[in-house]
Amino acid sequence: DAGVIQSPRHEVTEMGQEVTLRCKPISGHDYLFWYRQTMMRGLELLIYFNNNVPIDDSGMPEDRFSAKMPNASFSTLKIQPSEPRDSAVYFCASSFGGGRPRDYGYTFGSGTRLTVV
Amino acid sequence: AQKVTQAQTEISVVEKEDVTLDCVYETRDTTYYLFWYKQPPSGELVFLIRRNSFDEQNEISGRYSWNFQKSTSSFNFTITASQVVDSAVYFCALSSSGTYKYIFGTGTRLKVLA
Repeated sequence: DAGVIQSPRHEVTEMGQEVTLRCKPISGHDYLFWYRQTMMRGLELLIYFNNNVPIDDSGMPEDRFSAKMPNASFSTLKIQPSEPRDSAVYFCASSFGGGRPRDYGYTFGSGTRLTVV
Repeated sequence: AQKVTQAQTEISVVEKEDVTLDCVYETRDTTYYLFWYKQPPSGELVFLIRRNSFDEQNEISGRYSWNFQKSTSSFNFTITASQVVDSAVYFCALSSSGTYKYIFGTGTRLKVLA
């Protein structure tokens, strides 16, 4: 199993540009989560999906952030326009639990380090 | 409100020493789940253990052991005979039964010196 695959690993962009982060969850996992990690705020859940449907997006910081999951094997997190304060490591995680994902914990991807200059 | 506190920001030990990482949580829920994750220098987050609130049995896995005490709202993690490869940031997390969100602590950076 290749694990959760995120791309790109690193992204440097200029303020105001659109940024798209990508995630391929583990095949068969029915939950997908997007987390952001910063020194100031630690690990924060942005949004999560169950069977491709967004369940809770209350952690999305503002309208500049959007996430989609068009199918079970792909999700994107988009920031438009990007700002320097969006600089962080963005993690995607997936899980399967037959409806109880906590039993197995999340499997995290390696993260995308975003720098907005 | 839910909260996870990892008061130890950074711990340094010499190889082969035992080390305990503290985790204190707050929740009003009667059903909840606790986790430990490891984040090595490579950056990924690795799942170590899950405990639910009804299971206070301590667990041992090789050099790792976990002590869950509801009376003190603590879920501490002990590494016995630490090794350099244990150097990482360790996160404790909490999730309640009504949500799949994890509330993470701020992490404890463990440095094991050769």
